[in-house]
Amino acid sequence: AQRVTQPEKLLSVFKGAPVELKCNYSYSGSPELFWYVQYSRQRLQLLLRHISRESIKGFTADLNKGETSFHLKKPFAQEEDSAMYYCALRESGGGADGLTFGKGTHLIIQP
Amino acid sequence: NAGVTQTPKFQVLKTGQSMTLQCAQDMNHEYMSWYRQDPGMGLRLIHYSVGAGITDQGEVPNGYNVSRSTTEDFPLRLLSAAPSQTSVYFCASQRERIGELFFGEGSRLTVL
Repeated sequence: AQRVTQPEKLLSVFKGAPVELKCNYSYSGSPELFWYVQYSRQRLQLLLRHISRESIKGFTADLNKGETSFHLKKPFAQEEDSAMYYCALRESGGGADGLTFGKGTHLIIQP
Repeated sequence: NAGVTQTPKFQVLKTGQSMTLQCAQDMNHEYMSWYRQDPGMGLRLIHYSVGAGITDQGEVPNGYNVSRSTTEDFPLRLLSAAPSQTSVYFCASQRERIGELFFGEGSRLTVL
């Protein structure tokens, strides 16, 4: 069974500082990794997925199969980045039942 | 285009009562799922459906029933509510098996 670990429940950084939200996974196959975000009073929404290899709102995440990690990074944090972030893994061949979420990291950007 | 709509947004129940959380999507998505969100636990899959007439259990299905009579609707039923079911419930849909999840706004349920 796959598992997703987000070691930080809460991460607080100052505006303008770099941000790194950690995500480690355990899965023997070829996973798909995602970051979902929930801003205050908004719906959960997809932030990015590793297969897209894109930067969204200044965030990037690289899948490191050797370290089984998918850390989310942003060089300069902004106050609007404050939110709850969830890392998620979909097993190869998985569908609606194959998505496992981490416990989430609450990111607070201080002014 | 409303996306995924959940009702009610808030509900308080007494132990043993029954209720149904409604979920509807207008995107013609085949796949729908229900999650519960608890502090420190993240999101856990309760039930999911890969199309009308087809449902299956997720990680935490006990105490919940679902049905999928139409593509649009995926209600979640609590037959006899328990305090352990106090949570925020999210319905989600996806266009394809490996697609992005689109979430509803959530339903906050308190069981006394």
